[in-house]
Amino acid sequence: NAGVTQTPKFQVLKTGQSMTLQCAQDMNHEYMSWYRQDPGMGLRLIHYSVGAGITDQGEVPNGYNVSRSTTEDFPLRLLSAAPSQTSVYFCASSYIGQAPSYNEQFFGPGTRLTVL
Amino acid sequence: KNEVEQSPQNLTAQEGEFITINCSYSVGISALHWLQQHPGGGIVSLFMLSSGKKKHGRLIATINIQEKHSSLHITASHPRDSAVYICAVVVGGGADGLTFGKGTHLIIQP
Repeated sequence: NAGVTQTPKFQVLKTGQSMTLQCAQDMNHEYMSWYRQDPGMGLRLIHYSVGAGITDQGEVPNGYNVSRSTTEDFPLRLLSAAPSQTSVYFCASSYIGQAPSYNEQFFGPGTRLTVL
Repeated sequence: KNEVEQSPQNLTAQEGEFITINCSYSVGISALHWLQQHPGGGIVSLFMLSSGKKKHGRLIATINIQEKHSSLHITASHPRDSAVYICAVVVGGGADGLTFGKGTHLIIQP
């Protein structure tokens, strides 16, 4: 199993550009989520999904869109990149079970994004 | 919002030392995760616990829900244990994701 994969690993954007960060998992996990990690701060939840066709906002959703058309894929779209979105982005997945947060979380390798 | 505090922020120790990393939180929780972030950036789950103690190899995690405190211990530390250790808490029914601490940066010198 590849686990959770993310592409690209690195990306540089100019302010105002749009792009999609890809995330895929092959573990048949219902729950998928996107976090951003900034220096001196803990990981913060951007958006999450409990299954295909279902998404919801996390703590810091502004400027990002998500969709979940399949169980495997959960892309994160930056609509109009801003320097404040410079960060490392992690995708994670888990089984839902009793509740997603009670289960082992599997993280992708991360995407380091710089917005100039 | 639950505040999750980890201490120390940075820790440098010699190989073989017993390591303790602490996590405290401000609001009652139902469970807590310990995660390890490697120098290359990858994050792996170490433990999820809601009471008592768990052990895996040289790693031991304890939690006291009433005192709002958890510890991660590493026995016989080794340079390969050098990483950032992150505490994350589960609030309520667990549907709203995790709240993460800022991490403890551990360096084990040979």
